[in-house]
Amino acid sequence: EVQLVESGGGLVQPGRSLRLSCAASGFIFDDYAMHWVRQAPGKGLEWVSGISWNSGSTGYADSVKGRFTISRDNAKNSLYLQMKNLRAEDTALYYCAKDSSGGKEFDYWGQGILVTVSS
Amino acid sequence: EIVLTQSPATLSLSPGERATFSCRASQSVSSYLAWYQHKPGQAPRLLIYDASNRATGIPPRFSGSGSGTDFTLTISSLEPEDFAVYYCQHRINWLYSFGQGTKLEIK
Repeated sequence: EVQLVESGGGLVQPGRSLRLSCAASGFIFDDYAMHWVRQAPGKGLEWVSGISWNSGSTGYADSVKGRFTISRDNAKNSLYLQMKNLRAEDTALYYCAKDSSGGKEFDYWGQGILVTVSS
Repeated sequence: EIVLTQSPATLSLSPGERATFSCRASQSVSSYLAWYQHKPGQAPRLLIYDASNRATGIPPRFSGSGSGTDFTLTISSLEPEDFAVYYCQHRINWLYSFGQGTKLEIK
């Protein structure tokens, strides 16, 4: 059974940093690209960032480019999101998501972890 | 950037009725469109990929159709557990876009 478990969320002041983690199990982690997707309160889904299976390629939404860094450790079956210079508009539920075999959609998601940016 | 526009914003129906969701792309996306179901407090669930293929474990009452710029998700006969928010999604290179969602509520 595929499981994705996020951790590392919480309350943080504007301008500070936070690192999210996602522990993956139930599939061959280093066969798939991985992603972070978020949902701000009362809003829809927004893709944040993705990373290829071997970390050779990454992508970011314009809203986080230059502030967030995605990484992975295939030996630990783990995905990370380093978030710097956080803003109030980064407040959201952050989901870890697995790339599908077709590479165009997300076939498994975690339960999400809440990040609140507020003074 | 491809913009996905979903309609209606809210759909009010009763169990047993047919639900039809629309997703329109600002330019052709061929058949590369996915649909998700999202319930409060739960992880989003992939329903349909490549416009018309049901994901693993998705019941046959869910079907997708369309190509180019116009796509439809249909639930043939609503079950109580189907009331949720539905999103369409597309990817081109490292740009992943979601529609704004359609909320399916009980009438």
